[in-house]
Amino acid sequence: QKEVEQDPGPLSVPEGAIVSLNCTYSNSAFQYFMWYRQYSRKGPELLMYTYSSGNKEDGRFTAQVDKSSKYISLFIRDSQPSDSATYLCAMNWNSGNTPLVFGKGTRLSVIA
Amino acid sequence: GAGVSQSPSNKVTEKGKDVELRCDPISGHTALYWYRQSLGQGLEFLIYFQGNSAPDKSGLPSDRFSAERTGGSVSTLTIQRTQQEDSAVYLCASSLPGYNSPLHFGNGTRLTVT
Repeated sequence: QKEVEQDPGPLSVPEGAIVSLNCTYSNSAFQYFMWYRQYSRKGPELLMYTYSSGNKEDGRFTAQVDKSSKYISLFIRDSQPSDSATYLCAMNWNSGNTPLVFGKGTRLSVIA
Repeated sequence: GAGVSQSPSNKVTEKGKDVELRCDPISGHTALYWYRQSLGQGLEFLIYFQGNSAPDKSGLPSDRFSAERTGGSVSTLTIQRTQQEDSAVYLCASSLPGYNSPLHFGNGTRLTVT
């Protein structure tokens, strides 16, 4: 079993839809959870960062962490064509500069 | 300000040749990471530098892979005797020390081994 599982998609939605992206993980020691967005032929960029369980909202984006279920989600409201990208979840288990463990990424297309 | 810069952006090489990939991190970022991204495989950790030392080399796939960092800045990833399975995008990221410091990625070097 991989440490972090993420459905690769592709996921295609109409403009304005609510998008739900998810990851599951096996290591209960993970405490720091991130979502990165990667446009084609670009490097990933940090979108959301959460510590432990709970929700975090930033504009149209909401990140949720459920540590009891080892499950994290990213919701995108009022999705736009510019949201079309690959979304990668990432996590690690302490506060130092330890390497992040990434999911494989979900490719999202928002159709106008 | 300038972000993480990687060169070359694309590299095509013949099987068996050596290649060098370069990463210029953001000024002041003491932590530097190399990841490999293959189609359908996600980001695979290769090596991490804190300053010039590499406390974690656990992800290097074989002894054909090596990396160094000089002056706490530029890093070079070297692949010797390249194989077709080395074809991938090699991504470099840098960050400030500390738990709340995000990784800043470059746009990668796309390596194709023919």
